[in-house]
Amino acid sequence: QSALTQPASVSGSPGQSITISCTGSSSDVGNYNLVSWYQHHPGKAPKVMIYDVIKRPSGVSSRFSGSKSGNTASLTISGLQAEDEADYYCCSYVGRSTLVFGGGTKLTVL
Amino acid sequence: QVQLQESGPGLVTPSQTLSLTCSVSGGSISSGGYYWSWIRQHPGKGLEWIGYIYSSGSSYYNPSLKTRVTISITSENQFSLNLSSVTAADTAVYYCARGPGAYWFDPWGRGTLVIVSS
Repeated sequence: QSALTQPASVSGSPGQSITISCTGSSSDVGNYNLVSWYQHHPGKAPKVMIYDVIKRPSGVSSRFSGSKSGNTASLTISGLQAEDEADYYCCSYVGRSTLVFGGGTKLTVL
Repeated sequence: QVQLQESGPGLVTPSQTLSLTCSVSGGSISSGGYYWSWIRQHPGKGLEWIGYIYSSGSSYYNPSLKTRVTISITSENQFSLNLSSVTAADTAVYYCARGPGAYWFDPWGRGTLVIVSS
């Protein structure tokens, strides 16, 4: 199972909105509403931001939202803040009790 | 609040077995209803799901690692990862995590670096 495809990097200025894409296939992202997103500051524990494509865990800012169209899931961060600068990873169920991650996207807040 | 922490040798000899333990505080594995996972990150690379074990003991593994991996619940508050016949390609930061569902992880441990080298 190949890793999901994410852009290597995205950037935005404080206050702006950015979107990170996560592209898979009709066998994974396109077939299941089971995509999650994780924020990872190096050296710290990764943190879930979105699960089941659109659901936001308790305590996660409403500035983070998820969506999906076809074989591509997306994470949108609105009102960008300096603290949002981190690596972001998507993850999808791919069937047969198996999960696969994306390659990760480095978000830079300019 | 549940917290997880990985522990184990930071250096493993090639061809040997990598063994890590995840200690769970603020909750119990035996309370049921959760999936207990291992995930790794190769240096400078993305994340790779290794596998998980359900509270009942059922386990599921990444097909690419299935022949070498065993995840076990070792006590009320610990679960383990054994990865056999390791090579330099198994050098990575290893994370343990809890899954409120089978398809997402929350929370995670901070990870532990394991280097495979002679």
